[in-house]
Amino acid sequence: DAEITQSPRHKITETGRQVTLACHQTWNHNNMFWYRQDLGHGLRLIHYSYGVQDTNKGEVSDGYSVSRSNTEDLPLTLESAASSQTSVYFCASSDGQLNTGELFFGEGSRLTVL
Amino acid sequence: RKEVEQDPGPFNVPEGATVAFNCTYSNSASQSFFWYRQDCRKEPKLLMSVYSSGNEDGRFTAQLNRASQYISLLIRDSKLSDSATYLCVVSSSSNTGKLIFGQGTTLQVKP
Repeated sequence: DAEITQSPRHKITETGRQVTLACHQTWNHNNMFWYRQDLGHGLRLIHYSYGVQDTNKGEVSDGYSVSRSNTEDLPLTLESAASSQTSVYFCASSDGQLNTGELFFGEGSRLTVL
Repeated sequence: RKEVEQDPGPFNVPEGATVAFNCTYSNSASQSFFWYRQDCRKEPKLLMSVYSSGNEDGRFTAQLNRASQYISLLIRDSKLSDSATYLCVVSSSSNTGKLIFGQGTTLQVKP
């Protein structure tokens, strides 16, 4: 069955370190998204991609970067982790029908920055 | 002002009760509307789309009022398994596949 997986599921790191969260989907979806979820804010969009070599900034992109070298993967990199980036991160994908609304989410990656 | 606003709750209701959640959105150009469900510490999953004419899926009814920029979700005959957070979701005005999530309304159904 097609799926979307994130790794690691849990990560503890220190301030200033570089961290990469992996996201891999086998749906063959063109669209991929990274969200963070915090109490009181809901899900906020960090970066997104509509296809290979395409990346776009979301509403909370500062301190994060992504790259899309193939259809299946959209890794999220925190260049220099900050305590404010402690959060649960969700990767999601959707197919080319942009209005269907069905985002398929990974199980989330819980990141703690000490 | 947040683009999508929901009452976070929690809503505590007994089994069998009918409960309604509301959501308002700020961008009148939004075209697509949805309710997602999120269980504790799990990923969100699509519950249902919301159409202008209103739509029903079993015990769940969703309605949209474009004039008031208001979306609702009605759950009839609540079950214990309905306990979750319900996320109101609205497409961005550019309709580029970006979805804007409300912070969610928590429902706790008690025996």
